Amino acid sequence: AQSVAQPEDQVNVAEGNPLTVKCTYSVSGNPYLFWYVQYPNRGLQFLLKYITGDNLVKGSYGFEAEFNKSQTSFHLKKPSALVSDSALYFCAVRDRDDKIIFGKGTRLHILP
Amino acid sequence: DGGITQSPKYLFRKEGQNVTLSCEQNLNHDAMYWYRQDPGQGLRLIYYSQIVNDFQKGDIAEGYSVSREKKESFPLTVTSAQKNPTAFYLCASSIVGGGGYNEQFFGPGTRLTVL
Repeated sequence: AQSVAQPEDQVNVAEGNPLTVKCTYSVSGNPYLFWYVQYPNRGLQFLLKYITGDNLVKGSYGFEAEFNKSQTSFHLKKPSALVSDSALYFCAVRDRDDKIIFGKGTRLHILP
Repeated sequence: DGGITQSPKYLFRKEGQNVTLSCEQNLNHDAMYWYRQDPGQGLRLIYYSQIVNDFQKGDIAEGYSVSREKKESFPLTVTSAQKNPTAFYLCASSIVGGGGYNEQFFGPGTRLTVL
C-alpha cells in the first residue's frame, strides 16, 4: 500500500533561515508526490507535485521540494523563511482511483 | 480555496441528530472527496466519487452517507450512528485520469461540533 511519513510533528525555524520539512514515502510503482499547506481554519492549498523528470520541483510561494529515489524522500524546502510561512504542511502520495493519501502533517513555526 | 464552497462554516449538532454538510464546486471536476481532520491525525478519507451517481467508501465511512446527483454537488450527511462526529470536515475535487498526476482542490471546511 502507498504511504507517506512525516517524521516531525513540529519544526521551528528563525525568520530568514532556510527551512526543510521532511517526508518519506513507500510506494509500489512510480511515485506521484504532493505537498499541501493549511492555514488555521482553512482548507488545504496545493504547493507542488512530483511526477517525473527533474528531481527539484519548484512550487508556489517560493517553496521547492527535492525528490530522492534512493532515500525515498521528498523534502520540502525554502531558502529563506518568512513568518507568514507558519502553517501546517502535508506531504501526500497518489493512491489508486486518483485518491491521495496524506501524511499526518508537520506544523512549521517561523520565529521572528 | 477557489472554486469549491462548503457550508455552513460552523455547525452545531445535538446528539442523535443527522446533519448535512454542503459541498459545491464550479471547476467542472469529475471527482469529489470528503475528508475528516482531527488534531494530530492528518486527513482521513470518508467517501469519494469519480462520476455522477456513483461513490465509494473511504477509510472511515461508518456513520456517514453521501449522494452525487449532480456533478457540482457532493453533500455529506453525518448520521446519529457516527460515534464521535466532532471534527473539521473538508471537501475536495479533482479531474480524473490524465495519468494520475491530479492534485486536489479543497474547500474552506466545515467545523462540526456535537453538543
